[in-house]
Amino acid sequence: AQSVSQHNHHVILSEAASLELGCNYSYGGTVNLFWYVQYPGQHLQLLLKYFSGDPLVKGIKGFEAEFIKSKFSFNLRKPSVQWSDTAEYFCAVSPLSGGYNKLIFGAGTRLAVHP
Amino acid sequence: DVKVTQSSRYLVKRTGEKVFLECVQDMDHENMFWYRQDPGLGLRLIYFSYDVKMKEKGDIPEGYSVSREKKERFSLILESASTNQTSMYLCAGGADNEQFFGPGTRLTVL
Repeated sequence: AQSVSQHNHHVILSEAASLELGCNYSYGGTVNLFWYVQYPGQHLQLLLKYFSGDPLVKGIKGFEAEFIKSKFSFNLRKPSVQWSDTAEYFCAVSPLSGGYNKLIFGAGTRLAVHP
Repeated sequence: DVKVTQSSRYLVKRTGEKVFLECVQDMDHENMFWYRQDPGLGLRLIYFSYDVKMKEKGDIPEGYSVSREKKERFSLILESASTNQTSMYLCAGGADNEQFFGPGTRLTVL
């Protein structure tokens, strides 16, 4: 079955530290890839997406992600986190299997950034 | 600015009650989705719809049904609520492989 694995369930960082959140998926075909973020008390919103082209994707608020096809990975990075980045982050994969493009989500990573 | 709204932010129901969760989108999207979000499990797809009066089961459809009578509205129905359906329910609208989420309904079943 198709699945998405996020390596860390909880991450605690100090402000200005660098961030990398891992995401791996199991699907051999073509996929679209997403990172969503949910700030405390807010709805889920899109951080960045990859459909095709340059495997290094830049999103909002200084986030970026790199698609490495050979590793089935789509890791999220930010060089210097801020307190306002405290949130839960979800990786999602949409296999392009010819049907309706469903999203398969990882379990999420809760990030806490301390001042 | 795209918008997905859900009828309630918080809902408390009793075991055995019939529960309706309503979702409305103003984006004219064909596709609409219902997920539940549980700690440590991420989002799991319950049902989705790709057109009016059309529906497809997601990964965890048991105990749920849906209704889509109009393009902009997608309802999730719990025929007989149970305590294990206590969760956060998220609705999304989408097209071209992108989904936009509503604020969620936190349902507690006592």
